[in-house]
Amino acid sequence: AQSVSQHNHHVILSEAASLELGCNYSYGGTVNLFWYVQYPGQHLQLLLKYFSGDPLVKGIKGFEAEFIKSKFSFNLRKPSVQWSDTAEYFCAFSGTAGANNLFFGTGTRLTVIP
Amino acid sequence: DTAVSQTPKYLVTQMGNDKSIKCEQNLGHDTMYWYKQDSKKFLKIMFSYNNKELIINETVPNRFSPKSPDKAHLNLHINSLELGDSAVYFCASSPRLGGLFLFGPGTRLTVT
Repeated sequence: AQSVSQHNHHVILSEAASLELGCNYSYGGTVNLFWYVQYPGQHLQLLLKYFSGDPLVKGIKGFEAEFIKSKFSFNLRKPSVQWSDTAEYFCAFSGTAGANNLFFGTGTRLTVIP
Repeated sequence: DTAVSQTPKYLVTQMGNDKSIKCEQNLGHDTMYWYKQDSKKFLKIMFSYNNKELIINETVPNRFSPKSPDKAHLNLHINSLELGDSAVYFCASSPRLGGLFLFGPGTRLTVT
């Protein structure tokens, strides 16, 4: 079955702490991987994406993610979070062969305390 | 330079009514989608259109009907609204099947 698991439902950090949000996917083929962010009351914005090549991808606002194929994982990281990073983070994937859907995880709420 | 736009942003209506949400993309993308985000923030695809043809249709009630007058527009029409339809509906588009998805600002539907 196709699915995305995000291990952390709610993460609370102090400013300047390091962040790592877990994401694992289940799919029987090659994938495109995404992290989206949803700030309070706003729409989904793309943080970063992986299609092919270097498994370590860098996105906006200092975020990065690493694709580990053997672990079916695509964890999101940021070395030092800011209060403005408070948001909901969604991991997602689509299959590369005739894919017509973007499968989302259940999201991780990040709260950064000033 | 809005890439994917939706109207209205907020929609409050009573049970039993019929309503439509409009979506437009100015990116020249081939595929458009409708997603539903429930109260727990879970996102689930409802429909996608590729070159004006419906290519997937998840298990949504037939009260929901997508309509695409052209490649740049995908509207969502909902008949006989129910309380459980209250959610945020996001439109999205991608340049090809499975490509980069870009989302609209969402429409918060509240059924009373």
